[in-house]
Amino acid sequence: KAGVTQTPRYLIKTRGQQVTLSCSPISGHRSVSWYQQTPGQGLQFLFEYFSETQRNKGNFPGRFSGRQFSNSRSEMNVSTLELGDSALYLCASSLGTEAYEQYFGPGTRLTVT
Amino acid sequence: AQSVTQLGSHVSVSEGALVLLRCNYSSSVPPYLFWYVQYPNQGLQLLLKYTSAATLVKGINGFEAEFKKSETSFHLTKPSAHMSDAAEYFCAVIATGGGNKLTFGTGTQLKVEL
Repeated sequence: KAGVTQTPRYLIKTRGQQVTLSCSPISGHRSVSWYQQTPGQGLQFLFEYFSETQRNKGNFPGRFSGRQFSNSRSEMNVSTLELGDSALYLCASSLGTEAYEQYFGPGTRLTVT
Repeated sequence: AQSVTQLGSHVSVSEGALVLLRCNYSSSVPPYLFWYVQYPNQGLQLLLKYTSAATLVKGINGFEAEFKKSETSFHLTKPSAHMSDAAEYFCAVIATGGGNKLTFGTGTQLKVEL
């Protein structure tokens, strides 16, 4: 079974631009969660989607948004990029609730200049 | 809110020695607990999880962790370290009924020396 895939793997953007990241979960998984990893703040939860509905949301500004499609693929969007948005963005997929394992993709490294 | 504390941001062991990475959680109700490993420039790989079925949990690559409610701990151990174990390890928690929101510790960088 193929693992979680994320595209693109690396991205360089300019402050003020917007960016869209993509995540394809493991086949059959209906939950997709997004995390931001930075040296200063560590791993922080952004949001979770389950069956196309946002089920959980972390403490991030409204510039961070996401969606999930009927095939469970998910995208996250960051508008009006700031230098502090430079991070590794990780996506994780799971069959369903918290008892199930979450499998992570390799991440998208976003650099904002 | 659920949280986990990892004691020691850096741990160094000799190859063949015992690996002990510490994690304490804060919760009045036993949560779901996980250990993940991250190699450089990669995502997170699940080592093991605790979901109340058994207090001693065996994971991949020879790792195991013991859930101790009295100590609110979930320490990760491996009897004999290998050079390939050098990586960053994260303890994480999900509150019961908390969906899939993982709250991570700050991580422990494991160094394995010859």
